[in-house]
Amino acid sequence: GESVGLHLPTLSVQEGDNSIINCAYSNSASDYFIWYKQESGKGPQFIIDIRSNMDKRQGQRVTVLLNKTVKHLSLQIAATQPGDSAVYFCAENAGGTSYGKLTFGQGTILTVHP
Amino acid sequence: GAVVSQHPSRVICKSGTSVKIECRSLDFQATTMFWYRQFPKQSLMLMATSNEGSKATYEQGVEKDKFLINHASLTLSTLTVTSAHPEDSSFYICSASEPNRPWGVDFFGQGTRLTVV
Repeated sequence: GESVGLHLPTLSVQEGDNSIINCAYSNSASDYFIWYKQESGKGPQFIIDIRSNMDKRQGQRVTVLLNKTVKHLSLQIAATQPGDSAVYFCAENAGGTSYGKLTFGQGTILTVHP
Repeated sequence: GAVVSQHPSRVICKSGTSVKIECRSLDFQATTMFWYRQFPKQSLMLMATSNEGSKATYEQGVEKDKFLINHASLTLSTLTVTSAHPEDSSFYICSASEPNRPWGVDFFGQGTRLTVV
């Protein structure tokens, strides 16, 4: 079936650098995308979301970019901190009758070195 | 923000026994909850959609008789792993959609680490 995938399984950065985590999706019917952060042994934590009628959305230190032409999603974290170290997942929702039902990407392990 | 609570956080059981995991929405009513399974170093895989007052909808390949789901109220869904085997050992996570968002946001419980010995 269709799925969401990630280009980079691991990412290591220095504290203070900006991080960019990428995600490719294949379901053209998806109209809602979310980035989650998951720390070891915990459930996913909502970071930021974006609707398909937008191409950019900003939060606190985070920005999500959506390129529907190439079905690509990215999460930018500014001034990355050691506390940002975790696994990051993108997820998509096709809406309609599958409201709330998410398909997750494979995840990227972000390691921030002090 | 909306809070979803899952219990227990860890459980060890003997092979052949059953284990029940609870998922509660603490400050909102959730007509729909979702159950995921996550193996080590892998992504979350949706197992089933739990619907309040009706039968759960299972994803392809998930045995409904093995993973019993009950959603008896708007704030509680339970997942029972019946006749557990070592291969059922995994991290089980529930989520609920926060209804006040125009397109819904899923908030997740803290997960349950199941170890079958």
